[in-house]
Amino acid sequence: AQSVTQLDSHVSVSEGTPVLLRCNYSSSYSPSLFWYVQHPNKGLQLLLKYTSAATLVKGINGFEAEFKKSETSFHLTKPSAHMSDAAEYFCVVSDGYNNDMRFGAGTRLTVKP
Amino acid sequence: DAGVIQSPRHEVTEMGQEVTLRCKPISGHNSLFWYRQTMMRGLELLIYFNNNVPIDDSGMPEDRFSAKMPNASFSTLKIQPSEPRDSAVYFCASSPPPSGYNEQFFGPGTRLTVL
Repeated sequence: AQSVTQLDSHVSVSEGTPVLLRCNYSSSYSPSLFWYVQHPNKGLQLLLKYTSAATLVKGINGFEAEFKKSETSFHLTKPSAHMSDAAEYFCVVSDGYNNDMRFGAGTRLTVKP
Repeated sequence: DAGVIQSPRHEVTEMGQEVTLRCKPISGHNSLFWYRQTMMRGLELLIYFNNNVPIDDSGMPEDRFSAKMPNASFSTLKIQPSEPRDSAVYFCASSPPPSGYNEQFFGPGTRLTVL
């Protein structure tokens, strides 16, 4: 069975500085990996996904993530944080076999002016 | 496309009452998921359907919860009787084939408050 661990429950950055949200996964198969964002009182929106193509995946709003099999990681980054990036971010792993998607506990990103 | 549609958006009810949450998935999607989100437990998968058939309901908390998908365009999640600890935001999501490789598209959620 697969699982995902988000290493930080809360990350705080200043506007204009880089963002790093860390995610490690465990999977018996070649996994599909996703990052979702949830703004307050909203549903979850897909930021980006990895499905065994290029290991560096670009998403919406300037976010990107790199799949590193040797480190079993899929960290989310953005070069310059914007106030509108303040939200909860979820890392998700799927084994692509039986629709079993596992969500991480989430990382709350705070952006300070 | 209108996206995943959930109704109602907000529901306030009293303990013991029956609550029915509704979901219309995106047309063409063959997988549907019900989640519950609370501060204490985070996001929990309750049940998911594939081609209208319940595949995994191991996340349904107890017999008070039931879910149906009578056709490809409609699903319900029912709680009877409701209890204050059921207060949460309930999300419905759908996913296109092939199952497991595609992202889930989430609805806006139903915020349930049980007094």
